[in-house]
This record gives sequence, C-alpha cells and structure tokens, in this order.
Amino acid sequence: ETGVTQSPTHLIKTRGQQVTLRCSSQSGHNTVSWYQQALGQGPQFIFQYYREEENGRGNFPPRFSGLQFPNYSSELNVNALELDDSALYLCASSLESSVETQYFGPGTRLLVL
Amino acid sequence: AQSVAQPEDQVNVAEGNPLTVKCTYSVSGNPYLFWYVQYPNRGLQFLLKYITGDNLVKGSYGFEAEFNKSQTSFHLKKPSALVSDSALYFCAVRDNGGYNKLIFGAGTRLAVHP
Repeated sequence: ETGVTQSPTHLIKTRGQQVTLRCSSQSGHNTVSWYQQALGQGPQFIFQYYREEENGRGNFPPRFSGLQFPNYSSELNVNALELDDSALYLCASSLESSVETQYFGPGTRLLVL
Repeated sequence: AQSVAQPEDQVNVAEGNPLTVKCTYSVSGNPYLFWYVQYPNRGLQFLLKYITGDNLVKGSYGFEAEFNKSQTSFHLKKPSALVSDSALYFCAVRDNGGYNKLIFGAGTRLAVHP
C-alpha cells in the first residue's frame, strides 16, 4: 500500500450539484496529480499541482478545479456535476527528486444521478 | 499525438506458465514508460518503470518489462504466473509536454487459471 489516502471512498450526487474530493499525499511528496477513470477505461489526467500551484492541465473544463495546501494535501472540486462525471477519481503523489514515479491512492468512486 | 496501445483486452494464462502483457507506445523523444496494476475496487499500484539504461527492467512481485525502441514496445512479463496476479494491468507513458502527465492505455485484464 502507498501512503496516499483519499476521502470519501464513495459518493453519490445528483446532476448540477458540486463535490469536493480530498487527498493526502505520501509523506514528503510535494507534487500531486488527479486522474479520472471512467468505467472500463484507463485513467485520464485532470491536472497537477506543485507547491500549491497548478502546473499542468488535461482536457477537462474549468468546472474541474483544485487546490494544494502547504502540507501537500489536495482537493479536487467539480461544479455543476454531469452524469458523465461518474467515475473513479484517483489522486497520485510523487517526490520532487523522482517526480516521474507517481504513487496512487485508492480512489473515490463518484456516482452522479 | 502521444499515445499508448494495449492490443489485448484480456490475457488468459495457466498458473505456472509464463505471461506477457503487450504494450506499444507513440511519443516524441525518449520515452518514460510505466506499468501499473489495479485490483478490484483499488487504486493503481506501481510495478516498474523504464527511463534509460538496460532494456530489461525488473519490478515488483517478480514482474519485468522489456523496452524495445525499434518496435516501440514495452511488454510486461513474468516467468511463472500466479493466480493472485489476476488483475487489470495498465501501461503508461509520460507526456513530453513539460509536466508530469501520464498517458494510460485502456488496460489489459489478466486472468490466471489454476
């Protein structure tokens, strides 16, 4: 098991609502990335944070936003939820000295009804 | 565009037999390549990576992968499969766009039969 934790494990929301997912990085890891994994697909990169700044973003609309805190924990916020947002959301952290190797948390499964 | 292909949706192998899970990639420049495994209702676990050096990379749980630049492949292998190896395997390449984005394949389900 990695030291990356995520909460909650499962979540059910309705279309149009807003959701916040949380991630606690492995100790000493100052880079965090978020991925969306739809059912039957590989993870898709949402964005990455380094030292509290977003420094990379995938093809996701602005209603997907994030934060990274001084203790390197992170949040993913999704506004105006759509049915297609139903997925497993994965957080991954990495060390600055070995940033290419990302260690994933167990994920949060979001269901939008 | 950079991409990863895993041509097999599922691989079936008998316990004790060698296994291979295939991956090909398309990326500009030198690739950073990864294999991850996902068990049901779990996140992804890092198995191994290739950055540079020896084309045969050894990783966790007895897995290894062979980097072949001419064939743009990075196949995952294990000499003797275990039933507990049954899981979903993802190949990934790092995007060369300047940050640490991983591009994943669609995944290959490995089923090891007793």
